[in-house]
Amino acid sequence: DVKVTQSSRYLVKRTGEKVFLECVQDMDHENMFWYRQDPGLGLRLIYFSYDVKMKEKGDIPEGYSVSREKKERFSLILESASTNQTSMYLCASRRKTARNTGELFFGEGSRLTVL
Amino acid sequence: AQTVTQSQPEMSVQEAETVTLSCTYDTSESDYYLFWYKQPPSRQMILVIRQEAYKQQNATENRFSVNFQKAAKSFSLKISDSQLGDAAMYFCAYTGANSKLTFGKGITLSVRP
Repeated sequence: DVKVTQSSRYLVKRTGEKVFLECVQDMDHENMFWYRQDPGLGLRLIYFSYDVKMKEKGDIPEGYSVSREKKERFSLILESASTNQTSMYLCASRRKTARNTGELFFGEGSRLTVL
Repeated sequence: AQTVTQSQPEMSVQEAETVTLSCTYDTSESDYYLFWYKQPPSRQMILVIRQEAYKQQNATENRFSVNFQKAAKSFSLKISDSQLGDAAMYFCAYTGANSKLTFGKGITLSVRP
């Protein structure tokens, strides 16, 4: 079975803390994504990575950074957490194809609460 | 920029009946792909069906089919013989030349026994 694993299902952090959300996939996929999901807003792309050490900003990158040092791991970093970053964070991966038709495989999500 | 619109936040269907979930999108590209993803309660999101824009034939996967109207930029999902396990949030999504997958806001489908 293919698998995308997010390190924490639930986290509670305080305003100003540095937060790391880790995502690991075991499918040797080139593309990896971080989305946040909020009620009424759907999924919004934060960052994505085409391959190792590559990253591109998504639609809402402000307040976030990412790291992709190894192919299987894509980390989302909140340098200084704020209450408006309370959300569900979804990681996904996809095999690279010529026409971007590949299926996205999602993790179970990390629900972050910032107090 | 591409946009995906799901205007209905919720729908309900009787078990064994058919339901159609609506989605419209806006793009200036001619070559793109459209997807429906399903997110069951507290479970991972999974792909339901995908459609290639240059294919006129509507995609079908068992009880799931799409009605793809390219000129109208409409991409609806039809679920036939609805089952209790179909209760979930459904997202319509678009991908084009920039590799990013853009999602709609989603629709919550409930199935009445």
